[in-house]
Amino acid sequence: QVQLVQSGAEVKKPGASVKVSCKASGYIFNNYAMHWVRQAPGQRPEWMGWINVGNGNTKYSQKFQGRVSITSDTSASTVYMELSSLRSEDTSVYYCARIGVTTFFQHWGQGTLVTVSS
Amino acid sequence: DIQMTQSPPTLSASVGDRVAITCRASQSISTWLAWYQQKPGKAPKILLYKASTLERGVPSRFSGSGSGTNFTLTISRLQPDDSATYYCHQYETYPLTFGGGTKVEIK
Repeated sequence: QVQLVQSGAEVKKPGASVKVSCKASGYIFNNYAMHWVRQAPGQRPEWMGWINVGNGNTKYSQKFQGRVSITSDTSASTVYMELSSLRSEDTSVYYCARIGVTTFFQHWGQGTLVTVSS
Repeated sequence: DIQMTQSPPTLSASVGDRVAITCRASQSISTWLAWYQQKPGKAPKILLYKASTLERGVPSRFSGSGSGTNFTLTISRLQPDDSATYYCHQYETYPLTFGGGTKVEIK
């Protein structure tokens, strides 16, 4: 069965960076794009970007352009999301999400809480 | 960006009731719409995609309809386990966007 296992919770100071990992199993890693979605407390999910893990191509939301980087390590079946210049408004649960036959999110990681606080 | 507007924000209904949640897109998205169920502290779970295709393993009391800009998620006979927040999601155009959610409570 498809499993996406994310790294643990993080507490960061404003201005710092955070890197969250997402280890995939149960399917052919290179065959599916991986997206990152975040959700602030009590808010709707917010799409951040995605990576074609087969060729490394990425696309980011304009909102995060210049601050976010999504990479993959095919040898480890792992995708990473790094967000820089953190501010308090970035406090959210960050999810990796694998697409289905088209670009809906069929499988989700368990989420990683990132808290930004001085 | 395509704005997704859900209504109502909350609804309270009894076990066995038929409930409907609507989602409106700010421009046509054909049928590139998915519905998710989210329980507190958990990741969203896919219910339907392509507006009306039921994900494998999802109970048949969930159904979806609509195209263009207006969509509906219907739960035909509400069960206690359906207490959750429901989100619509358009995947026709980047940036991908979500509705504001509908919290379903059981009376």
